[in-house]
Amino acid sequence: GAVVSQHPSWVICKSGTSVKIECRSLDFQATTMFWYRQFPKQSLMLMATSNEGSKATYEQGVEKDKFLINHASLTLSTLTVTSAHPEDSSFYICSAIVGTSGSGEQFFGPGTRLTVL
Amino acid sequence: GESVGLHLPTLSVQEGDNSIINCAYSNSASDYFIWYKQESGKGPQFIIDIRSNMDKRQGQRVTVLLNKTVKHLSLQIAATQPGDSAVYFCASRGNAGNMLTFGGGTRLMVKP
Repeated sequence: GAVVSQHPSWVICKSGTSVKIECRSLDFQATTMFWYRQFPKQSLMLMATSNEGSKATYEQGVEKDKFLINHASLTLSTLTVTSAHPEDSSFYICSAIVGTSGSGEQFFGPGTRLTVL
Repeated sequence: GESVGLHLPTLSVQEGDNSIINCAYSNSASDYFIWYKQESGKGPQFIIDIRSNMDKRQGQRVTVLLNKTVKHLSLQIAATQPGDSAVYFCASRGNAGNMLTFGGGTRLMVKP
């Protein structure tokens, strides 16, 4: 199957700093990528839909100014957690849909563990 | 949308037994369903999917059953192995978009 990578796999930062997480589709192009957040022992919660060349669509309750999403190419989407605080500590997972139609199969990245001290 | 649990129920089975993991969904417009396996510290891994025009689909050691009448989905794992220990999530997709909505998840523990 198609491969989605995330970088870094884990990061520890101080409160108030910003952290950028990358999501890459390694062997396919993806017009649409998704960002999820997962707290311990909970399910994946969709944060936003990242669309190449246009603004991301955020789910209700997700602050777009705090979680900046940039999908500048068909293989890369970035999530920047600005002014991170301990409550932002979580497992962030991206996924990408194969192709440019937005209706292809969806593949998940391995996740990024963010710990804010 | 789907309900999302705040804690994971656990299913404990003996190695070699069959496992059945259940999931309820709320959106009657959902037309596509997927089961994912998630090991600790990793992203979800695709197991099997089913479209709403089917009620059963089989894979290797796994079977998914869909009951649209009661909006219920189940995953059956035959001859459960220690390597099957993980958290299992169902996900559904509505017929109007490509977003997935995840269920609350079930932790499967396989006792050797």
